[in-house]
Amino acid sequence: DVKVTQSSRYLVKRTGEKVFLECVQDMDHENMFWYRQDPGLGLRLIYFSYDVKMKEKGDIPEGYSVSREKKERFSLILESASTNQTSMYLCASTLDRPSSMNTEAFFGQGTRLTVV
Amino acid sequence: AQTVTQSQPEMSVQEAETVTLSCTYDTSENNYYLFWYKQPPSRQMILVIRQEAYKQQNATENRFSVNFQKAAKSFSLKISDSQLGDTAMYFCAFLPYNTDKLIFGTGTRLQVFP
Repeated sequence: DVKVTQSSRYLVKRTGEKVFLECVQDMDHENMFWYRQDPGLGLRLIYFSYDVKMKEKGDIPEGYSVSREKKERFSLILESASTNQTSMYLCASTLDRPSSMNTEAFFGQGTRLTVV
Repeated sequence: AQTVTQSQPEMSVQEAETVTLSCTYDTSENNYYLFWYKQPPSRQMILVIRQEAYKQQNATENRFSVNFQKAAKSFSLKISDSQLGDTAMYFCAFLPYNTDKLIFGTGTRLQVFP
């Protein structure tokens, strides 16, 4: 079974802190994604990566950066956390690009981040 | 811009009954893929069913089936013989052909009652 693991299920951070959310997948997938999930807004794409050291902005990249130094690991970084970044963060991966009908996104269990 | 709309924030259904969740999307593309994902209370998102736009036949997976109306840009999910384990948030998702960006709707929270 494909497994996507996020390092924390719950996280509480203070305003202004630098926050790292880690995601690891174990199936040699090419693509990795970070989404933010908020009630009434669904999932919104923050960043994605289709290869090591490659990244592309999603729909809401402001206030975030990412790092992909190894194929299996994709990190989301909040340079200076703010209260409006309190949210659920979901990591996902897909096998290859370009995506197709057989593309299945595998998700981690989410990190619920609270910024106080 | 491509968008996905789920107009029902919450739905409820009695066990063993049938329920339909609606999804519409807006695109100028002719080729694309559509998906329904389920997020139970455990938060683990899983794929329920998928459909390719150029296939007219509606996809089915056991108790789950879709009604795909390309001209109307509609992609509804029907759950037959609802079970308590179907209680979850359901997301409709759209993937333009030859891209990597899954676009999600806002979700429908489904509650199955005994």
